[in-house]
Amino acid sequence: EVQLLESGGDLVQPGGSLRLSCAASGFTFSSYTISWVRQAPGKGLEWVSAISSSGGSTYYVASVKGRFTISRDNSKNTLYLQMNSLRAEDTAVYYCAKEQGGMRPFDYWGQGTLVTVSA
Amino acid sequence: EIVLTQSPATLSLSPGERATLSCRASQSVSSYLAWYQQKPGQAPRLLIYDASNRATGIPARFSGSGSGTDFTLTISSLEPEDFAVYYCQQRVNGWTFGQGTKVEIK
Repeated sequence: EVQLLESGGDLVQPGGSLRLSCAASGFTFSSYTISWVRQAPGKGLEWVSAISSSGGSTYYVASVKGRFTISRDNSKNTLYLQMNSLRAEDTAVYYCAKEQGGMRPFDYWGQGTLVTVSA
Repeated sequence: EIVLTQSPATLSLSPGERATLSCRASQSVSSYLAWYQQKPGQAPRLLIYDASNRATGIPARFSGSGSGTDFTLTISSLEPEDFAVYYCQQRVNGWTFGQGTKVEIK
C-alpha cells in the first residue's frame, strides 16, 4: 500500500524557518517525481515545488523561489522542503504528492501538515 | 504559465441530478488534464487523468472529456458522497490547478 506521511508543520514567526519531511512507503520511491502542494485555509490547491526522481532537477512556483528548497534522500525514501524567510501568506496545509509517472497527475497524496506563520 | 479557469464556482444540485463542471485552459494542454475531488479535512483524490481516463477505483458515474483548452467533468447521477470540491490540473507545462468548483446540496 502506497503511503506518504508528512511531518514538521508548526507555528513559526514571520521570517523564520521550518523543514517539512515526507516519508514514503509502498512503492519504488526513487522512480518518481514528487511534489509539494499547499492549501491555504479555505482556499484552493497551489503547486509549490517538485523534484525529479534522481533529485537532479527541481522546480518552484515563483512565489517561493529563493526561499524554499526541495530535496530528497532516496536511500531513506524521504522528501524534504526547507522553508526559509517565511511569510504570513505561506500559511497552509502542505501535502506531498506522488506523480503517476511521465506527464501524469498525482495519484497519491499524504494527509498534509499544517504550517502557520504568525507573530 | 498556463492558467486554468473552472466554472461555475458553485453548483447547487440535488442527489440523482447530473453535474457538469467546466475547466478552460489559457493555452492548449493537449489531453494532459486531470480532475480531483476533495472533501473537507481530506487530501485530494485523483478521479480522471489524461482528460478521460478514470483512476483506479473511481465509479463509472464520473466521466471526463475534452482536449486542447476545453474540458468537462460529468457526474451522471449525484450520490450523497459526491458533494465536494473538484479541481482540474494540467501537467503539460509545469503544474497548475484550477480554482475549484464546489458541488453543494440544493
